[in-house]
Amino acid sequence: QKEVEQDPGPLSVPEGAIVSLNCTYSNSAFQYFMWYRQYSRKGPELLMYTYSSGNKEDGRFTAQVDKSSKYISLFIRDSQPSDSATYLCAMTKSGGGADGLTFGKGTHLIIQP
Amino acid sequence: DSGVTQTPKHLITATGQRVTLRCSPRSGDLSVYWYQQSLDQGLQFLIQYYNGEERAKGNILERFSAQQFPDLHSELNLSSLELGDSALYFCASSGSPGSGETQYFGPGTRLLVL
Repeated sequence: QKEVEQDPGPLSVPEGAIVSLNCTYSNSAFQYFMWYRQYSRKGPELLMYTYSSGNKEDGRFTAQVDKSSKYISLFIRDSQPSDSATYLCAMTKSGGGADGLTFGKGTHLIIQP
Repeated sequence: DSGVTQTPKHLITATGQRVTLRCSPRSGDLSVYWYQQSLDQGLQFLIQYYNGEERAKGNILERFSAQQFPDLHSELNLSSLELGDSALYFCASSGSPGSGETQYFGPGTRLLVL
């Protein structure tokens, strides 16, 4: 079993829909959780990060962490064609970054105009 | 633009050869991380340097090595290259050990081993 599981998709939704992206993980030591967006052939771009359980909102994006279920989510409201990309969840045990980030394999999202 | 730069953008070489990838972190960032992204393994952490010192190791092969110089730029050296080393190699940087969770990635170097 991989440490972080993420459905690779593709996930195709119409423009304006609410998108829900999810990851599950097995290591309860993970404390910091991130979502990155990666366009084809580009570097990952940090979207959101949260510490421990809870919600965090930034514009159209909301990140949720449920440590009891080892489950994290990213919601995108009013989705746009420009949101089409691969979304990677990432997590780490230490805020000091001593472990590097452990990534899911990414979900390929397609927003249909 | 994350502020992290990587050179070269593309690299084509042959099996058995040695290459060097270069990374310049964001201004003021002390930590540099190297990652490998392949289709089958996804993004995998290789190694971290903080202010010139090795800080953490991930799934880095013995054929690979890295260093961080006094001006904080970093180099990843890959030797005795194999076909399976073909991948995207990313560098990321962050400001301090306490903000390690906010890693900013460069555009990557695409390595093709023939």
